[in-house]
Amino acid sequence: ETGVTQSPTHLIKTRGQQVTLRCSSQSGHNTVSWYQQALGQGPQFIFQYYREEENGRGNFPPRFSGLQFPNYSSELNVNALELDDSALYLCASSIGQGYNEKLFFGSGTQLSVL
Amino acid sequence: EDQVTQSPEALRLQEGESSSLNCSYTVSGLRGLFWYRQDPGKGPEFLFTLYSAGEEKEKERLKATLTKKESFLHITAPKPEDSATYLCAAPKAAGNKLTFGGGTRVLVKP
Repeated sequence: ETGVTQSPTHLIKTRGQQVTLRCSSQSGHNTVSWYQQALGQGPQFIFQYYREEENGRGNFPPRFSGLQFPNYSSELNVNALELDDSALYLCASSIGQGYNEKLFFGSGTQLSVL
Repeated sequence: EDQVTQSPEALRLQEGESSSLNCSYTVSGLRGLFWYRQDPGKGPEFLFTLYSAGEEKEKERLKATLTKKESFLHITAPKPEDSATYLCAAPKAAGNKLTFGGGTRVLVKP
C-alpha cells in the first residue's frame, strides 16, 4: 500500500508567477485536503476535495484553486504568487470526509517565492 | 471562531525527564481532538483521536488525555527519538477539515 506522495519536493518561484503542486492520494482514499504550513506554525486548511468536488474552503483567496481527478489525485494551483506564499504545502488523504476520518499526510512541497 | 492553542511553544528535556504538553481549544460542538507528530521535513503523522472528556489513549511513552476545555500529551521517560513537533487539531463544524494549533517543538537530549 503506497502512502500519500507529493511532487515536487522543493520549488523556487518569483513573485507574480504561477505554480502547480501535485498529490497522489493513498490507495482507497477518495478525499484530499490541502494545508499550508508557514515556518514554525501549525498547518492551515486551504480546501478539501471529495469525489472531484470542492468540499469546503479555508480563509484563502481565490488565486488558490484546486482540482481532483477521477483517480482521486489532486492539484493545488496558486496564481500571482506573493512572498507570503512561501511555505510547506501539505496534501492529506482520507477514506472519507467524516469528522472521525483521520488524515494521512504526504511529506509536502516546500515552496519558496523570491 | 474555532481556536486551538498549544503550550509551551518549545520544550527541552533530558532523556528520562517526563513532561506534559497542553492543547486548549474553543471549538463549538467538539467532534474529536487529534494529536499528530511531525518530524523535520515530513508531514504530520497521526497519533491519537480523543472524543469525550475523561478519555485517555496511550502509545509507547505517550499518553493523551482530554477534558472539556483542553487536552494533554504526557511524555513519560522520553528518549531522543521522541524529539519532534507535536500538533493538536480539532475538526471544523463539519467533516474532517482540521484547525491546528501552533505545535510544541520537543527536543530530548541524551
